[in-house]
Amino acid sequence: DAGVTQSPTHLIKTRGQQVTLRCSPKSGHDTVSWYQQALGQGPQFIFQYYEEEERQRGNFPDRFSGHQFPNYSSELNVNALLLGDSALYLCASSLGDRGTQETQYFGPGTRLLVL
Amino acid sequence: DQQVKQNSPSLSVQEGRISILNCDYTNSMFDYFLWYKKYPAEGPTFLISISSIKDKNEDGRFTVFLNKSAKHLSLHIVPSQPGDSAVYFCAAREYGNKLVFGAGTILRVKS
Repeated sequence: DAGVTQSPTHLIKTRGQQVTLRCSPKSGHDTVSWYQQALGQGPQFIFQYYEEEERQRGNFPDRFSGHQFPNYSSELNVNALLLGDSALYLCASSLGDRGTQETQYFGPGTRLLVL
Repeated sequence: DQQVKQNSPSLSVQEGRISILNCDYTNSMFDYFLWYKKYPAEGPTFLISISSIKDKNEDGRFTVFLNKSAKHLSLHIVPSQPGDSAVYFCAAREYGNKLVFGAGTILRVKS
C-alpha cells in the first residue's frame, strides 16, 4: 500500500521564477492538504483540496495556488518566488474534507531553495 | 498569534525512562489533537491522537493526556528508546481538517 508520495525531492529556483510541486495521496484517500515548513518551525497550512476544489486556505498570498486532479493527486504552484519561500513543502492526505477521518498522513516533502 | 505552543525546544532523557512532551493551545474550538514524529529528511509520521471529548488515549508505549480546562496536552513515552530520538510535533485540528502545528520539541534519548 503506497503512502503519500511527492516530487521532486529537492528543487533550486531563483527569485521571480515559478515552481510546481506534485503529490499523490495515500491509496483510498481523496483529500490533499499542503503545508509549508520553514526551518525551525512547525508546518503551516497553505490550503486543502477536495473534489478538485480548494476547500480551505491558510494565510498565504495568491502567489500560492493549487490543483487537484480526478485521480486525487495534486499540484502546488508558487509564482514570483521570493527568498522567503525557501522551505520544506509537505503534502498530507486524508479521507473526506469535513473530518470523517481525523488523521492526515504526510509525504516526505519537497525541499525548495530560492536563490 | 500562536494557537499551539510547545514551550520546550528540546528534551533529553535516559533510555528506559519516561519522556514527557508538553503542548498548550488557546483555541477551544479545536476538536482533535495529534502527535507526529519527524526524522530529518522525512515527512512527519503520525503517532497518536485524541478527541477533545476524551482525556486519555493509549497505544503501546505512547499515551496522550488531554486537560481541556487547562488547554494542555502531553505525550508520554514509556519506556523511551534511542530510536525515539526525533522532533515531535503537537497538532490541533480545526473544523474542516486543517491542522495547526506547534514549533516542535527535539527529543534525545541517551543510551
